[in-house]
Amino acid sequence: DAGITQSPRHKVTETGTPVTLRCHQTENHRYMYWYRQDPGHGLRLIHYSYGVKDTDKGEVSDGYSVSRSKTEDFLLTLESATSSQTSVYFCAISVGGGLTDTQYFGPGTRLTVL
Amino acid sequence: GQNIDQPTEMTATEGAIVQINCTYQTSGFNGLFWYQQHAGEAPTFLSYNVLDGLEEKGRFSSFLSRSKGYSYLLLKELQMKDSASYLCAVPYNTDKLIFGTGTRLLVFP
Repeated sequence: DAGITQSPRHKVTETGTPVTLRCHQTENHRYMYWYRQDPGHGLRLIHYSYGVKDTDKGEVSDGYSVSRSKTEDFLLTLESATSSQTSVYFCAISVGGGLTDTQYFGPGTRLTVL
Repeated sequence: GQNIDQPTEMTATEGAIVQINCTYQTSGFNGLFWYQQHAGEAPTFLSYNVLDGLEEKGRFSSFLSRSKGYSYLLLKELQMKDSASYLCAVPYNTDKLIFGTGTRLLVFP
């Protein structure tokens, strides 16, 4: 158990509203990631962070922003949610942070945008 | 660029052996991960291979051939609880993973 929690676990929102998902870890790992998972696409990286205030884009970052003001929290924000952002969102941490270090995943957030 | 291919779905019978294949193309190789994901749950780490050959962990084994860009996950003595999706992933750039779309394994009694 890598001590990762996500909140909320489920959310239904309407198109055009802002949404923030939170990932919290208890073990001070440097690297944190946000993925989305959709049928037929697998897990795709949205954004990631390699330290406080240090973030970078993944392959599907359009429409998303992130912030990391504390080591333990990594926030994902949908500024204006669209139906195409309906998905399951997973947060992950990398235990070592290097290229070959294992990523461990939080329980996920199921987001529905109506 | 990076690309990973896995079969979409496989079926097998309880007690049998099943092999789930993964082929990859990546610029620079830094190992290959396998994850298991039960429906509605998060992926969980199964194995990591960086050298050629077979690594065994109980009922699960993972094989890698770097020259062929190929890996497989071997599951022996299948149990109903092994019904899940199996994801292979390879690292790229300095600190990211790219995942295949996953293979859904259905185990029947």
